[in-house]
Amino acid sequence: GQQVMQIPQYQHVQEGEDFTTYCNSSTTLSNIQWYKQRPGGHPVFLIQLVKSGEVKKQKRLTFQFGEAKKNSSLHITATQTTDVGTYFCGGFDGSSNTGKLIFGQGTTLQVKP
Amino acid sequence: EAQVTQNPRYLITVTGKKLTVTCSQNMNHEYMSWYRQDPGLGLRQIYYSMNVEVTDKGDVPEGYKVSRKEKRNFPLILESPSPNQTSLYFCASSLSGSPYNEQFFGPGTRLTVL
Repeated sequence: GQQVMQIPQYQHVQEGEDFTTYCNSSTTLSNIQWYKQRPGGHPVFLIQLVKSGEVKKQKRLTFQFGEAKKNSSLHITATQTTDVGTYFCGGFDGSSNTGKLIFGQGTTLQVKP
Repeated sequence: EAQVTQNPRYLITVTGKKLTVTCSQNMNHEYMSWYRQDPGLGLRQIYYSMNVEVTDKGDVPEGYKVSRKEKRNFPLILESPSPNQTSLYFCASSLSGSPYNEQFFGPGTRLTVL
């Protein structure tokens, strides 16, 4: 079945350093969604990418969707302590018509002040 | 306030004692789903429902049941809980079953099965 792998699993950075997490799917995705979960909280939607090669920015966050629609990345420039949390990517299988949503394992970001 | 609510938020139980975790949304969403979150495994979908009376298995449905008799409610039932079902559970909803709708997550239910 469809699998979504996310790396790295953990990342510790010094405040001000950049951070990137990568998401790779075994199958072509209809879209990719990114969520952020603060410690002790629930996942909250950040953004969605739909088109092949799409790039979107939210302030210091840059999201990319691969040309083949099988991979995506989230890049944070100049991390801040408020960026701490776990970042999940998720997507629906583009080759099937199910409502099954597959998430990656998540990347947990720690930021040292 | 638009939200997804779950009850209880915390539950400690024993093996074999049937339990139900309730989930309710007030956004008139068609699509609802349950996930479990375990360290290193991320969010794994248990069951989802595209609309009332329509439910389908996600990736890890074994040991769970769901029902969708009303649009707003989507309870998760563990008929005979076992320790390997100790986890953090999230209910989520979205406007429809379209892949392009964002998921709204509930606050989570931390379940411990002894």
